[in-house]
Amino acid sequence: EAEVAQSPRYKITEKSQAVAFWCDPISGHATLYWYRQILGQGPELLVQFQDESVVDDSQLPKDRFSAERLKGVDSTLKIQPAELGDSAMYLCASSLSRGGFEETQYFGPGTRLLVL
Amino acid sequence: QKEVEQNSGPLSVPEGAIASLNCTYSDRGSQSFFWYRQYSGKSPELIMSIYSNGDKEDGRFTAQLNKASQYVSLLIRDSQPSDSATYLCAGGRQKVTFGIGTKLQVIP
Repeated sequence: EAEVAQSPRYKITEKSQAVAFWCDPISGHATLYWYRQILGQGPELLVQFQDESVVDDSQLPKDRFSAERLKGVDSTLKIQPAELGDSAMYLCASSLSRGGFEETQYFGPGTRLLVL
Repeated sequence: QKEVEQNSGPLSVPEGAIASLNCTYSDRGSQSFFWYRQYSGKSPELIMSIYSNGDKEDGRFTAQLNKASQYVSLLIRDSQPSDSATYLCAGGRQKVTFGIGTKLQVIP
């Protein structure tokens, strides 16, 4: 069964350091999402790609976060510098086509980030 | 006002009972809704999607959508301890927004 892959699964870093997460969506899925989930909250969309283009990054803190999907397949989310408040689960999801409201999103296992 | 609202719970039900999870949404133009289950420390997994008014059944799960009242519900029949998890409601118009999730505890 096809799955969304993410790495690393866990990351501990010190504040002010740089950290990067990687995601490989289900093969053939055009839309890729990055979410942040703080403990006790629902996932919050950070950025949405359709192929290599950013569709929505309105909630991405652009002063410290960046995301890319250069070839329209896998994606990297970077935080520089990390802050204590960035401690959360970072989830990647993908959907088949244009990422419309009707599409099911399939989630990867997530990366749990702890900033000390 | 949050776009999708859920009671955080916990909702406790005895094993074998029906668990009823509810969700309301603010955007009347929202057209599609999803229920995800999330075990502690794990990522969300899709249970059901629903787009039309009425009920949709899949095994022990039934999703209900009432667009006039702007609520979505998930019923779990014959609840099992393995159903203990947080259930996320998601929906939207242009994009999908998630609620905070309701924690369900099924007591053996």
